[in-house]
Amino acid sequence: AQSVTQPDIHITVSEGASLELRCNYSYGATPYLFWYVQSPGQGLQLLLKYFSGDTLVQGIKGFEAEFKRSQSSFNLRKPSVHWSDAAEYFCAVGPFDGGSQGNLIFGKGTKLSVKP
Amino acid sequence: KAGVTQTPRYLIKTRGQQVTLSCSPISGHRSVSWYQQTPGQGLQFLFEYFSETQRNKGNFPGRFSGRQFSNSRSEMNVSTLELGDSALYLCASSLASGGKTGETQYFGPGTRLLVL
Repeated sequence: AQSVTQPDIHITVSEGASLELRCNYSYGATPYLFWYVQSPGQGLQLLLKYFSGDTLVQGIKGFEAEFKRSQSSFNLRKPSVHWSDAAEYFCAVGPFDGGSQGNLIFGKGTKLSVKP
Repeated sequence: KAGVTQTPRYLIKTRGQQVTLSCSPISGHRSVSWYQQTPGQGLQFLFEYFSETQRNKGNFPGRFSGRQFSNSRSEMNVSTLELGDSALYLCASSLASGGKTGETQYFGPGTRLLVL
């Protein structure tokens, strides 16, 4: 069965430090991969996505992610974290049905706290 | 361009009642998907509508239903509410040009439902 694992439930980093959030997926073929961010009381905002091609994907707010097929991973990185990056981050895989694009499977999320 | 809007934002119901949530997609978007977010289960896909037709459905009981109107607005209904239905219900829309898959989903702020 398809699944997404985010091993870290909560991460705390200092402002200005680098960040890497881990995401591993289980899927039978090359998936579509997404990272979303959710601030308290808000919906989800797309940070970046991978469909095909270059395995290093650039997103908004200075985030990037690298698709590694051999490791079934799609880790999110940022070289220097800002206090405003404190939020919950979700990795997602999908879609699975050829005619549908709604069926995203999400990881459980990683909550990021930023120390001043 | 206005984002995805969801009404109401907050709702309190009692067990056994039914509830209807509304979602207005971004103008021009034809696909609307619904997700349930709870602390225990995380984000789970409910269903997706495209051109007024449900074309994908998650693993939820029949008490959960939805529909889409000709202007792409969507509603979801939950009948015979249970305590476990307390959750944040998120709606997402995508352009779905030509019914293509993998296009970016834009999420609304969600409707927080509390069942007492």
